Amino acid sequence: GESVGLHLPTLSVQEGDNSIINCAYSNSASDYFIWYKQESGKGPQFIIDIRSNMDKRQGQRVTVLLNKTVKHLSLQIAATQPGDSAVYFCAEGDSGNTGKLIFGQGTTLQVKP
Amino acid sequence: DAGVIQSPRHEVTEMGQEVTLRCKPISGHNSLFWYRQTMMRGLELLIYFNNNVPIDDSGMPEDRFSAKMPNASFSTLKIQPSEPRDSAVYFCASSRGTGANQPQHFGDGTRLSIL
Repeated sequence: GESVGLHLPTLSVQEGDNSIINCAYSNSASDYFIWYKQESGKGPQFIIDIRSNMDKRQGQRVTVLLNKTVKHLSLQIAATQPGDSAVYFCAEGDSGNTGKLIFGQGTTLQVKP
Repeated sequence: DAGVIQSPRHEVTEMGQEVTLRCKPISGHNSLFWYRQTMMRGLELLIYFNNNVPIDDSGMPEDRFSAKMPNASFSTLKIQPSEPRDSAVYFCASSRGTGANQPQHFGDGTRLSIL
């Protein structure tokens, strides 16, 4: 029979453009959020994190925005490059301070040269 | 610095066989996590350890799965007997500290195929 898998949303951008990947989280008590990048055949790689006492944090070419009012998280990548093509996951820290992360399903970013 | 090291990278075996996956966390990290990733279910947490002690194994699918952490630098995930539905990529991750607000650092996984 036909197998059914997760249908990850896909974002396709032109090289050099900015990318915005969005994520909705469920627990209003979560106080820690993190973005990962996963390339084919590799494990998730930490990109950037943010705590709930902040609404914006910047890294190298990346910015994470947190809107606690609507429980929304976004990752902005400036001047997207072919090497940015990957699946991006957001995750929220367990509000019980256990150290566990709760992962979203992921978004595929495709960069067109 | 060395990251999380997993072995083997690939494992193909017949159903019914015992499978052992190995993980060496980053030195100095106190928490270790085992995940399973499939197309159907995404990334699932199976079990995690704080200071070598299993804290939450509620994600372990069934009794065929077991995990140990005999010391701070080594953990195993064992499947006995293995079944085709166990085919997946298994990741190990470690983090500094035992509370929330800590990034987890992942290994490159073991791709397991059960025939």
